[in-house]
Amino acid sequence: DTEVTQTPKHLVMGMTNKKSLKCEQHMGHRAMYWYKQKAKKPPELMFVYSYEKLSINESVPSRFSPECPNSSLLNLHLHALQPEDSALYLCASSQAPGGGFNNEQFFGPGTRLTVL
Amino acid sequence: LAKTTQPISMDSYEGQEVNITCSHNNIATNDYITWYQQFPSQGPRFIIQGYKTKVTNEVASLFIPADRKSSTLSLPRVSLSDTAVYYCLVGELNSGYSTLTFGKGTMLLVSP
Repeated sequence: DTEVTQTPKHLVMGMTNKKSLKCEQHMGHRAMYWYKQKAKKPPELMFVYSYEKLSINESVPSRFSPECPNSSLLNLHLHALQPEDSALYLCASSQAPGGGFNNEQFFGPGTRLTVL
Repeated sequence: LAKTTQPISMDSYEGQEVNITCSHNNIATNDYITWYQQFPSQGPRFIIQGYKTKVTNEVASLFIPADRKSSTLSLPRVSLSDTAVYYCLVGELNSGYSTLTFGKGTMLLVSP
């Protein structure tokens, strides 16, 4: 199984809502990532989890709160978002942390988030 | 990590070979090159990676000259389904906590 799954596929939320994005992988990978991608732009790294611990936070606003309950699951909790946070949120995993050789990242299909 | 520069877009026709060149003038000795492909509304997908010379897999070939300041992704006999954005990235060979940084990518449009 070389698949990363993400739910929901689409999410529409108001600026006062609280919602969560979910990501799951069963490849035994020990690193998981959240990326944000705006239309016609490349993915931008948000968070990196290494062995279920947050290792990198790319100065992401606190209205985004990641959580890694176990080695297979990664959540992104959303609260008080702004319309400019509307984007495709991508989850990825890799065998080991970091961008080393032979450590390709497997991406999920993403969650299309719209903030009204 | 070395910054990468790619053409913004390329056009091709079905059945042709497509070569996308990426410039990475400041590549370091312990850096490698990797390419990802992304279809609209999907996550990127790993295509190929290499350190020097030539690497080939079932999908593509990667040519890296001796000075490693550029690399060329070669897609043989493209089809309509190869229409996608192709990203060239530079990463550290023995990375611990470094990350992949996506550049602007090349939008490849394959026409009938």
